[in-house]
Amino acid sequence: NAGVTQTPKFRVLKTGQSMTLLCAQDMNHEYMYWYRQDPGMGLRLIHYSVGEGTTAKGEVPDGYNVSRLKKQNFLLGLESAAPSQTSVYFCASSPLLSGVYNEQFFGPGTRLTVL
Amino acid sequence: SQQGEEDPQALSIQEGENATMNCSYKTSINNLQWYRQNSGRGLVHLILIRSNEREKHSGRLRVTLDTSKKSSSLLITASRAADTASYFCATDNQGGKLIFGQGTELSVKP
Repeated sequence: NAGVTQTPKFRVLKTGQSMTLLCAQDMNHEYMYWYRQDPGMGLRLIHYSVGEGTTAKGEVPDGYNVSRLKKQNFLLGLESAAPSQTSVYFCASSPLLSGVYNEQFFGPGTRLTVL
Repeated sequence: SQQGEEDPQALSIQEGENATMNCSYKTSINNLQWYRQNSGRGLVHLILIRSNEREKHSGRLRVTLDTSKKSSSLLITASRAADTASYFCATDNQGGKLIFGQGTELSVKP
């Protein structure tokens, strides 16, 4: 099992450009999450999904959109990138077993720089 | 908003010593989790402790939870150089959504 994978690993954008980050998991998890991590800080939740076809806002959703058309994939989009979106982006997934929330499994991250 | 606050922000010890990290939070929780992050890598789950539990062990790791004080601690015994990493606590108080602290940077010197 590959676990949680993220593409791309690195990306440099110019202000105003758009891009999509792809997250894929092969563990059949219901929940998926997108976080950003800035220097010296913990992770902050951008958006999350509790199942195929559903998404919800997290703590810092502005400037981002997401889609979950398939259970195994969770896409994060930046429509018009800004320098403030320079960060490391992590995707995670989590199972929901018998109505109980459990640990999250993280991908390796995408380092995004917006010039 | 960061729910968890970790203390200390940085900790430097010698191999073989114990390392203790503390986490405080503000609101009631379903569970509290500890993660490790090696430099430039993703987070790895260490331990999950639920609100009705007081202590959990996993190998050289011991986690305690005091819901009356809204605090948790992570103890790593007999530390190794390979334990050098950042350690984050994260609280789940709203249906699977985690709120992370800023982390403790642990350095274990051989």
